[in-house]
Amino acid sequence: AQSVSQHNHHVILSEAASLELGCNYSYGGTVNLFWYVQYPGQHLQLLLKYFSGDPLVKGIKGFEAEFIKSKFSFNLRKPSVQWSDTAEYFCAVIPISSGSARQLTFGSGTQLTVLP
Amino acid sequence: GAGVSQSPRYKVTKRGQDVALRCDPISGHVSLYWYRQALGQGPEFLTYFNYEAQQDKSGLPNDRFSAERPEGSISTLTIQRTEQRDSAMYRCASSSGVGELFFGEGSRLTVL
Repeated sequence: AQSVSQHNHHVILSEAASLELGCNYSYGGTVNLFWYVQYPGQHLQLLLKYFSGDPLVKGIKGFEAEFIKSKFSFNLRKPSVQWSDTAEYFCAVIPISSGSARQLTFGSGTQLTVLP
Repeated sequence: GAGVSQSPRYKVTKRGQDVALRCDPISGHVSLYWYRQALGQGPEFLTYFNYEAQQDKSGLPNDRFSAERPEGSISTLTIQRTEQRDSAMYRCASSSGVGELFFGEGSRLTVL
């Protein structure tokens, strides 16, 4: 079964600092990759997704992520964070190869706190 | 509806009671998923449906947990004889196919 690792459990940054959150997955086949965000008191929302094509994908609110197949990674980045980016971020993977379980598997999440 | 709707938003129950959690997906969405999220963890897959057919229930922790989607729209997750370890946020999501899952606000279950 596939698994997703997010190595940073809690990240604290000051406003305007750059952000990179790590995500690695274990699955040898073709995958679709996602980053979801959960703002305080709200439901999970899609931040960005990768299906195919350009491995550098851009999402909402200035976030981007790069799919590096050789490293099984899909790290999330933002050049300059804002206080409003304080939230929990989840990386998720779904395999699309035939015969594989078609479930979205999440990492354990990274809590980002941005200090004003 | 406009989004995925879950009810109740909060449920407090005593150990041993049965609980039913409801999910109303986005209209027209084929796939419906149930996840459970413990504090400090990511959502953990429970089960999913395509239309009314339960495609995968491998994530249901034991036979006290069951789910149905009889008409291919609204789904109910039932937990029988609840235990304290069942306390968690239960999240429902729907999807039009392979792609983005749209999540509801979740049902927070507390078993005393």
